[in-house]
Amino acid sequence: AQSVTQPDIHITVSEGASLELRCNYSYGATPYLFWYVQSPGQGLQLLLKYFSGDTLVQGIKGFEAEFKRSQSSFNLRKPSVHWSDAAEYFCAGPPISSGSARQLTFGSGTQLTVLP
Amino acid sequence: EPEVTQTPSHQVTQMGQEVILRCVPISNHLYFYWYRQILGQKVEFLVSFYNNEISEKSEIFDDQFSVERPDGSNFTLKIRSTKLEDSAMYFCASNDPTGLGNEQFFGPGTRLTVL
Repeated sequence: AQSVTQPDIHITVSEGASLELRCNYSYGATPYLFWYVQSPGQGLQLLLKYFSGDTLVQGIKGFEAEFKRSQSSFNLRKPSVHWSDAAEYFCAGPPISSGSARQLTFGSGTQLTVLP
Repeated sequence: EPEVTQTPSHQVTQMGQEVILRCVPISNHLYFYWYRQILGQKVEFLVSFYNNEISEKSEIFDDQFSVERPDGSNFTLKIRSTKLEDSAMYFCASNDPTGLGNEQFFGPGTRLTVL
């Protein structure tokens, strides 16, 4: 079983519209979760992270994400998308059978296209 | 702000050749990682390294791969005899084991092209 899944391969929104990118997790306990963004040909930039506590986390570039245990989700949101937000977005968390393992496992990514 | 650096940014090699990808992790970090991303696919874990030894490795990390911390700053990934399917973006990451929730800091990546 995958640790994190991103059900949307590609999403298109108009500039100025709101955005929600979905991430579902399959851990029993409360996991630590991350959202990373990757612009074309670039590395991975951390947008935000969740460890515990407040379930609504704020990140950089106006992004936020909400951890919802009841829905096993950690969706990324932005109220108004800018053309520069066009990129690939990855949700990440620990491996499903992490034990002491510290590596991250990534979702398959959601490609965001922003229309003018 | 400290960052992870990687060299080269792009490496082109012939099939069967050895390549060494280099990374300089953040100086006070103790855990180091290599990930790869084949074009159009997700980021996959290769190996983690702590206290001068491999702590975890994936099934991708077979005998043709090795990692080394040759000095106090560099962390290298060696591919002994490259195959076409090794063409990918390789990311190095590091973190501080005392940091909350295992946040990892990624380098900009090395794009490896095997011809």
